[in-house]
Order: sequence, then C-alpha cells, then structure tokens
Amino acid sequence: QQQVKQSPQSLIVQKGGIPIINCAYENTAFDYFPWYQQFPGKGPALLIAIRPDVSEKKEGRFTISFNKSAKQFSLHIMDSQPGDSATYFCAASMLNTGNQFYFGTGTSLTVIP
Amino acid sequence: NAGVTQTPKFRVLKTGQSMTLLCAQDMNHEYMYWYRQDPGMGLRLIHYSVGEGTTAKGEVPDGYNVSRLKKQNFLLGLESAAPSQTSVYFCASSSPGRGLSGYTFGSGTRLTVV
Repeated sequence: QQQVKQSPQSLIVQKGGIPIINCAYENTAFDYFPWYQQFPGKGPALLIAIRPDVSEKKEGRFTISFNKSAKQFSLHIMDSQPGDSATYFCAASMLNTGNQFYFGTGTSLTVIP
Repeated sequence: NAGVTQTPKFRVLKTGQSMTLLCAQDMNHEYMYWYRQDPGMGLRLIHYSVGEGTTAKGEVPDGYNVSRLKKQNFLLGLESAAPSQTSVYFCASSSPGRGLSGYTFGSGTRLTVV
C-alpha cells in the first residue's frame, strides 16, 4: 500500500513554465514533508521541506504548498530551467519514529529549452 | 567531507549467489537506512537502524539482512540473490532532532541478478 501517492508520473514543460507536482497522504501522524531531487546516476538530494503547521514555504524558485485538511501537498517550480530536468520525489515521515520516510513514486520532469 | 559512501557502485550476480553492500558515513549520524529504487515504485525502505547494534525491518525486508556493528557503517546482505532483487540500492543517514535536514543519500549501487 502506497503511503504517499504522487502525480503525474512525468511532466514536460517549456523553459520559464511552472511545473506542479502533487502528492497526497492518508496518515495524519505524518509531520514532515520533504521533496527530493534526483539526477540520473545520483542519489536523491533534499530540495525543500515543510512541517504541517504552515501552508506554504518558498526557497528560491521552489515552493511547497500544503493543505492539511485535504492531506495534500505540492511542489511548484517557478521560471523552470533545463537544469531543473530531474526526477522529483515527495516524501512523508513521522520525526519521532526513527525518521522513516515514505516516498512517492516519483515524477520525471523535462524542461525544454 | 565524503558524506555517505556506498560500495560497490555496480555488481552483477548470478541467481543464488550472496553479496554484501557496504555503506559508510562520516557525519556521526545515529540513523542509517537501506532503500531500493525500482521504476514506477519510488524508494522503498528495506531495513533501518537507529543506533549501533540495532536494526529494524522496513517495508520490503524479505531476502535481505543487515548489520550495524559500528556507528559509521551499515551493511546490507543478500544471502541468496534472486532476479527480483535487481534494483538500485541507496543508503541514507540522518540524525534525531535534525529531521528538518532530511536524509543524506549515497550515490547508489546498481545490482543486476541474472
């Protein structure tokens, strides 16, 4: 059973566009929601993360929107660049239980120049 | 500062063979994890450890064993490899109370079982 559901599986946008990746979860005990970026042949790297006590967090061109009542969160990439082409994973965890992370299935993003 | 180092980076095994994947971290992290990554399935937790000498099962532990004899090392063993274990394996580490910094991942081991 997938604890975190992620969509879409793949996404193609033009340079400058705003790709949006969505995730949904069921377990209300989750209290930490990170996004990871993975380039081919590399391990995932933390991009941005949010706690459920805020509805939005921005870091540079990356924004997480969080809807606690709907149990959904999304990643927005402003002014996307070809260098943003990568696979993005959302995740959820309960920080007091050994930091076990449950990952979404990933979104392959391609930004066309 | 090397972070998390995985060895080997690539390996081909025959069905039934055994092998050990090594993960080493130099960040003094308490927690360590082994994940497998398969197309369309994201990252799934195999086993994890919250401290030296302790291990626990994750989502997909069958066919794997682990050991954490030293704080900086976390070993993943395959006793009798099966084609279903063909995957990319990632090790990660983190610290309690520093959850907002997330995991640090290694660069992965690509394992093919034929």
